Amino acid sequence: DTAVSQTPKYLVTQMGNDKSIKCEQNLGHDTMYWYKQDSKKFLKIMFSYNNKELIINETVPNRFSPKSPDKAHLNLHINSLELGDSAVYFCASSLRTVNTEAFFGQGTRLTVV
Amino acid sequence: AQSVTQLGSHVSVSEGALVLLRCNYSSSVPPYLFWYVQYPNQGLQLLLKYTTGATLVKGINGFEAEFKKSETSFHLTKPSAHMSDAAEYFCAVFPGGYQKVTFGTGTKLQVIP
Repeated sequence: DTAVSQTPKYLVTQMGNDKSIKCEQNLGHDTMYWYKQDSKKFLKIMFSYNNKELIINETVPNRFSPKSPDKAHLNLHINSLELGDSAVYFCASSLRTVNTEAFFGQGTRLTVV
Repeated sequence: AQSVTQLGSHVSVSEGALVLLRCNYSSSVPPYLFWYVQYPNQGLQLLLKYTTGATLVKGINGFEAEFKKSETSFHLTKPSAHMSDAAEYFCAVFPGGYQKVTFGTGTKLQVIP
């Protein structure tokens, strides 16, 4: 069974579109994250949720809106996609914030054309 | 604020040779330290972590790292490189609490047969 699963794995879309990436973890973890990895492999945290509550919100355009319907799910919705949004987006989870042995999903490669 | 520096974005070693990937950090408090590995088109996988206690930490796949507080370093080593070790390696630091994990910029390890 996949511990952290995110869909879709690949997403190609045109500028200006709105898209969502879904993430689910079956590890019973309290904390979930979204990371962005750019073309140079630089990994940066975007958001962190603990028990459905937002605890970290980095300087991310407000076109990005995370939603956590329950602690096992953290979805990422992106409005008005721009070329610069092209990247690999990783969802991750950890048991709690004080133990950040994070488990990562396989990533979603977003390409905006 | 914390930061992580990984010296060398690319490291090449011969199969069977010693692997040494360098990581230096800065943190205002004693941090937790992590090494993750990323294989092509995969998410990140935890190799090892340092929280408290023994400063020499052993991880999966024969890797180990030593926390040296005086040098603010957490270098990753493996006595004998294997072809399957070719991947991107990330060092990460976490100060604790509700603060974010900061990742280094990654080191791509190439293993030459």
